[in-house]
Amino acid sequence: GQQLNQSPQSMFIQEGEDVSMNCTSSSIFNTWLWYKQDPGEGPVLLIALYKAGELTSNGRLTAQFGITRKDSFLNISASIPSDVGIYFCAGQKVGGSEKLVFGKGTKLTVNP
Amino acid sequence: DVKVTQSSRYLVKRTGEKVFLECVQDMDHENMFWYRQDPGLGLRLIYFSYDVKMKEKGDIPEGYSVSREKKERFSLILESASTNQTSMYLCASIGTGGINEQFFGPGTRLTVL
Repeated sequence: GQQLNQSPQSMFIQEGEDVSMNCTSSSIFNTWLWYKQDPGEGPVLLIALYKAGELTSNGRLTAQFGITRKDSFLNISASIPSDVGIYFCAGQKVGGSEKLVFGKGTKLTVNP
Repeated sequence: DVKVTQSSRYLVKRTGEKVFLECVQDMDHENMFWYRQDPGLGLRLIYFSYDVKMKEKGDIPEGYSVSREKKERFSLILESASTNQTSMYLCASIGTGGINEQFFGPGTRLTVL
């Protein structure tokens, strides 16, 4: 099955730094999603993007739906220790269906 | 505030055993999904269901089957567990509101010896 190309695979940063991660695909998506997974828990939806070019913020998080509909990025500003976790992008294809395609994840470590 | 629950957080089984993983949601959602999560591979869809008694294969259905006899419950079955099915299994449900009404369970970490 198809998967998205998510990078970087892992990041080690200092508290207070900004973080950026992105996902690309060879296919067009209708919707781009970003999730965070805390250790031992299931993923939780952070941001959903529905239109090409859309830029959406949720607190210190900002995500954009690429103009080509084949990519998206997530930025975290002024990172804090509780930002630690695995971040996943996911795409929902054109044509409906609730089926999602997930990236492989970016593991974020924040050093206090 | 519990939304999606999975029957076990940790499970250890032996090769060849039949394994049942249960998922229950209390939000009256139509759509339910089973994923497996492996390091460096992200989430991969095993099976999903749009309604009671309906099921569709995901990207990696081999070695698995599912059952949806009631709307709130979606079971994943490993007919004969193998060591390569050692993984984290995540259940999710989505309501009629779409992605904004999606919730994941906490996961079941299955080890097959």
